[in-house]
Formats: sequence, structure tokens, C-alpha cells
Amino acid sequence: ELKVEQNPLFLSMQEGKNYTIYCNYSTTSDRLYWYRQDPGKSLESLFVLLSNGAVKQEGRLMASLDTKARLSTLHITAAVHDLSATYFCAVDIYNDMRFGAGTRLTVKP
Amino acid sequence: GAGVSQSPSNKVTEKGKDVELRCDPISGHTALYWYRQRLGQGLEFLIYFQGNSAPDKSGLPSDRFSAERTGESVSTLTIQRTQQEDSAVYLCASSLGHGRLAVYEQYFGPGTRLTVT
Repeated sequence: ELKVEQNPLFLSMQEGKNYTIYCNYSTTSDRLYWYRQDPGKSLESLFVLLSNGAVKQEGRLMASLDTKARLSTLHITAAVHDLSATYFCAVDIYNDMRFGAGTRLTVKP
Repeated sequence: GAGVSQSPSNKVTEKGKDVELRCDPISGHTALYWYRQRLGQGLEFLIYFQGNSAPDKSGLPSDRFSAERTGESVSTLTIQRTQQEDSAVYLCASSLGHGRLAVYEQYFGPGTRLTVT
């Protein structure tokens, strides 16, 4: 059974600091998605990673995928308060999407 | 353009009652998905529809859950004899297709928050 594990589940960080969220999964996949969810809102797509070694960056967020290690990372650079949200990774196995439990990020001034 | 819409946005129902949740996908999207998100947790896949193919019901948690979709339009998720553990946000998503030949990104609706008292 495909398992998707994110860590940490909760992350409180100071503005200006860097941190990485990890997403491990248990079955071979070459498609991984990162989503952002604000409280009471739906999911917003951030990144789609389609191959080993894929790296994508948008603003202060950078996502990477290592299919051999079955690991994706979401790196936050110089965090700002606006990044406070819950971040989910999702692994696509033949369009069967399995989501991690989410990382609730709080950025404090 | 219009995104995925869901109704109602909130639903409070008594234990044992039936509820119907509605999803309007993005026009032209042939694939439609239903997920359940319990408080503080990730998304749990329930069911998906692709065109006129038989739906993949593998994620439905019990026979109290069912879903229908007419063609490539509106879908309804029905929960019969609701239980308190059914309380969750039910999210719908749609995509242009479903398969391995291309990447079909899913676009999510705002969700329906169901509370069973």
C-alpha cells in the first residue's frame, strides 16, 4: 500500500529563516505535487514534479524530487508571514493520488 | 474562467439523515474526484469519474457512500444514514483527463464542511 509521510507535521519558524519540509513515499512514482492550503480554503497547486532530479522554484519556495530515494523536499528561503499555511505533498500512482498529512507552517515576526 | 464549485459550503445534519453534496467541475474537464479531509488531516481519496468509464469507487469507506455523475458535468456525493465520523470537509477536484499519457493537474473546489450532530 502506498504511504506518504511528511515531516514535520507542525513547523513554527521566524521570519527570515530557512527550513525544509520532507515528503517520503513508499512506492515508485515519478509524479509528485505540492499544494498549499490556507485555513478554511481549498488547495492551491504549487509545484508539479515529473522526473528524478526535478527542481522548481517560485518565489521563496523551491521543490525537488529524488525518485530513487522516494523523497521530495520543499525548501523555504527567508520565510515571510504570508507563507503561513498548511503544505501537502501528493504522490501520483497511475492517477491514484495519495496525500501526506500536511505540514502546518506558522511564520512568526 | 470559473473554477470548481461546490454546494452547500456548510451542512449540518443530524445523525442518521442522508445528505447530498454537489460538485460542478470546470467546463471541459473529463475527470472528477471526491476527497474527504478530516480535521487536521490530509486528503483521503473517495472516488473518481473519467468520461463515460465506470467510476473508481475503491476509496469509498462504506456502502453508505455513493456518487453519481452525469456525463462530464455535475456530480453528487450521497452519504446515507450519516454518522458522526462522517464529519469532515468534502473536497471535489476536476482535471482535463486521467491517465499516464500526460500530466493532468487537479483543480480543487472550496469544499463542503459537513457536521453530523
